[in-house]
Amino acid sequence: RKEVEQDPGPFNVPEGATVAFNCTYSNSASQSFFWYRQDCRKEPKLLMSVYSSGNEDGRFTAQLNRASQYISLLIRDSKLSDSATYLCVVNIGGNQFYFGTGTSLTVIP
Amino acid sequence: EAQVTQNPRYLITVTGKKLTVTCSQNMNHEYMSWYRQDPGLGLRQIYYSMNVEVTDKGDVPEGYKVSRKEKRNFPLILESPSPNQTSLYFCASSLSGSDGYTFGSGTRLTVV
Repeated sequence: RKEVEQDPGPFNVPEGATVAFNCTYSNSASQSFFWYRQDCRKEPKLLMSVYSSGNEDGRFTAQLNRASQYISLLIRDSKLSDSATYLCVVNIGGNQFYFGTGTSLTVIP
Repeated sequence: EAQVTQNPRYLITVTGKKLTVTCSQNMNHEYMSWYRQDPGLGLRQIYYSMNVEVTDKGDVPEGYKVSRKEKRNFPLILESPSPNQTSLYFCASSLSGSDGYTFGSGTRLTVV
């Protein structure tokens, strides 16, 4: 079983739409959680950490559900520039990070 | 500027010819890692290091070596590259596990 699983998509949404991605993780001892954004042929970049109480950064909201072992990312008022692949990342301790395979988002004019 | 620098960006080589991909970070980070990214498989950890002279195998270490003689540098060595090591490689560093990784720009390696 994979450490981290996410729906690969693709998600094609119109500008202004709200879109949500989910991700599940298998290790109940996982300690830290992140969402990364990766543009085509570029390096992944940290979008936001995910905290137990949920957290928001502008149009982006991240949630963590430890009991069900999933994390989510909500993007409101989608922009064309939000088109990218979104990676769910889990740290199980120390230097061991596990990445999901990514969810592809295309925002359409 | 705080960054992770890896070189080269692109490399085409032949089977069996030893190569090194360099990685350097200027953020005084303790943790460094190497990943490879392949279509449908996502990012998989090759090796990681939690401090100078401390390295550990990740999920896919076969065919790779690393060293951490200085805090800022973490080179990836392929002693005898094979075509199945054709991939996109990323070096990354982190201050601690709780703050996520900063990635280098990637090295696209083709082994023919």
